[in-house]
This record gives sequence, structure tokens and C-alpha cells, in this order.
Amino acid sequence: ETGVTQTPRHLVMGMTNKKSLKCEQHLGHNAMYWYKQSAKKPLELMFVYSLEERVENNSVPSRFSPECPNSSHLFLHLHTLQPEDSALYLCASSQAGGNSGANVLTFGAGSRLTVL
Amino acid sequence: GENVEQHPSTLSVQEGDSAVIKCTYSDSASNYFPWYKQELGKRPQLIIDIRSNVGEKKDQRIAVTLNKTAKHFSLHITETQPEDSAVYFCAAARSFSSGSARQLTFGSGTQLTVLP
Repeated sequence: ETGVTQTPRHLVMGMTNKKSLKCEQHLGHNAMYWYKQSAKKPLELMFVYSLEERVENNSVPSRFSPECPNSSHLFLHLHTLQPEDSALYLCASSQAGGNSGANVLTFGAGSRLTVL
Repeated sequence: GENVEQHPSTLSVQEGDSAVIKCTYSDSASNYFPWYKQELGKRPQLIIDIRSNVGEKKDQRIAVTLNKTAKHFSLHITETQPEDSAVYFCAAARSFSSGSARQLTFGSGTQLTVLP
């Protein structure tokens, strides 16, 4: 497997469920991201893990919880979501730091989430 | 924070014609401006990018121009083909204070349709 892999590709969950999205990158990158893509809205950065730094968008609700156990794996834990959280969740990775030519994002195929 | 405006939201052109998509940004510290193409049901992929130390960059039928003073940048596609039909996203980025990963702020996207 090469590139950025996301599982599951599709997820339907109830508002009281707990689920997790998984992302794995095989590119040797050192930064990983979660983006939310809703219809007719800009891609919204949710979380970044880069080197020793974690950055989060302060507007992201606490019902979304990221976890990055190492530079190749990224999770998004979901708990008591709302119907408006239904969207495509995209993971991305990049090689951060130093060279200004770095930081090209490589996206995964996304996890389509539907909250009932 | 950064704010990126993208216009138009939809664009239809005849095959062989040119297409132009424009974006403006608000943060004068932004120094990296990529363009991503997302075909229906697929992941966004980088097609071209430009850094703030140049005003124009070309790659075959695709070109990007940057006006730092006016804080706007544009994507130009010449001799359009049906396979150019997709959603195009612009983005602006600046480095985190640690110099690690850049935080990309995306525009809302342009649905380009090339009519045969």
C-alpha cells in the first residue's frame, strides 16, 4: 500500500455511538492533518500533528478527538456527534520543516461520515 | 487568521477555451499558494503551487500568477479539455512559529465544467 490510506471509507453512526477514523501514510512524512469537507464549503483544517507540535482549530467541537501515536498513523475519535457533523473527513500528510519546497499535502481518499 | 475568497463558484467553458479562477487572501504573512484539483469522488491533488518570491509559474497548460501587493492569485488553464472538469481549490499558507508544517487555508472551490 502506498500513499495515504483511510479507513473506513464510509461510516454511518448514531448520535450516541463512539467510532474512530484511521489514517496511515506510507510516504515517510512527518506531519499529518485532519480536514473536514462539507458541501459547498472550504476544506476546514481540524488538527495538525507536526514534529513535536500539535495545532488545532479552536472552532472544532470537543466531540472530535485526534490521536497521533507515531508519524505514520493518525486517528480521529468520534463521540456523540451531531447530524451536522456529516461530511467527508480527509486525512493528509506532508514533509514539514526546513526546505521551503516542503509541505505539499498528499490527501487520502477520505472517510464519508453520516450521522443519523 | 487567514481568510481566502475564491471566485467564481462555478465556471463553464467550451473545450479549447481558457479558464481563469481567482482568489484573494487576507494574511500578508502567507507565503505559499497551492492549487488543488478534486475530480468527482476522488481526493484533492496538487496541480501547481507558487511561492511569494515569484510572480508567475507555468506548467504546460496551467499557470498561476501572484500579486502580493493586492493579495490575490489566479489559476489559468489554457486549451481546456473535458478531463479538466473538476473542483479546483486555492489555498494560502504561512509557516507555524516553529517553522514546521504550514497551515493551509482553502478557498471554497470552483466547479469547472468543460463542455465538449
